[in-house]
Amino acid sequence: KAGVTQTPRYLIKTRGQQVTLSCSPISGHRSVSWYQQTPGQGLQFLFEYFSETQRNKGNFPGRFSGRQFSNSRSEMNVSTLELGDSALYLCASSFTFESTGELFFGEGSRLTVL
Amino acid sequence: GENVEQHPSTLSVQEGDSAVIKCTYSDSASNYFPWYKQELGKRPQLIIDIRSNVGEKKDQRIAVTLNKTAKHFSLHITETQPEDSAVYFCAAVTSGTYKYIFGTGTRLKVLA
Repeated sequence: KAGVTQTPRYLIKTRGQQVTLSCSPISGHRSVSWYQQTPGQGLQFLFEYFSETQRNKGNFPGRFSGRQFSNSRSEMNVSTLELGDSALYLCASSFTFESTGELFFGEGSRLTVL
Repeated sequence: GENVEQHPSTLSVQEGDSAVIKCTYSDSASNYFPWYKQELGKRPQLIIDIRSNVGEKKDQRIAVTLNKTAKHFSLHITETQPEDSAVYFCAAVTSGTYKYIFGTGTRLKVLA
């Protein structure tokens, strides 16, 4: 069974631009969540989707948005990029409806904002 | 808001010694506590988890303990090996919120 796939793996943007990251979950997984990983801050929750519905959102500005498609693939978008948005963005999928189950992470998309 | 504090941020131990990482959570309704290991340049992977109706769980050299009253849980690794070197993250999850609150991570170095 293929794992969680994230694209692109690396990208460089400049301040003010926007970026879209993609995540394909493990086949059969309907829950997809996104996390921002930065040194010293650990993994910070961005949002979670299940069957195309956002069920929760973290404490990030409105520039961060996401969506999920009917095939469970998910995208997140960051508009008007700031230097502080440089981070590793991790996507995770889960099989269970409830959140109390194992997360399977992708390898991440490393975003650098210049 | 919800918060998970994790200590220490770095930990160095001699091979064969034990390592203990501690986490404290703020939401008393949290009922699921997983631990993830992230090796350098790799994705985080679940190594052990515990639910609120259990006080302790063991899996070979790894164990987790939970004290609900103190809102505190810990990861114990015995007989550490060089391959245990990684960053370890604890998390607290509350059913129905659909989000993991992660600690800030502990970088464990096992010295040969």
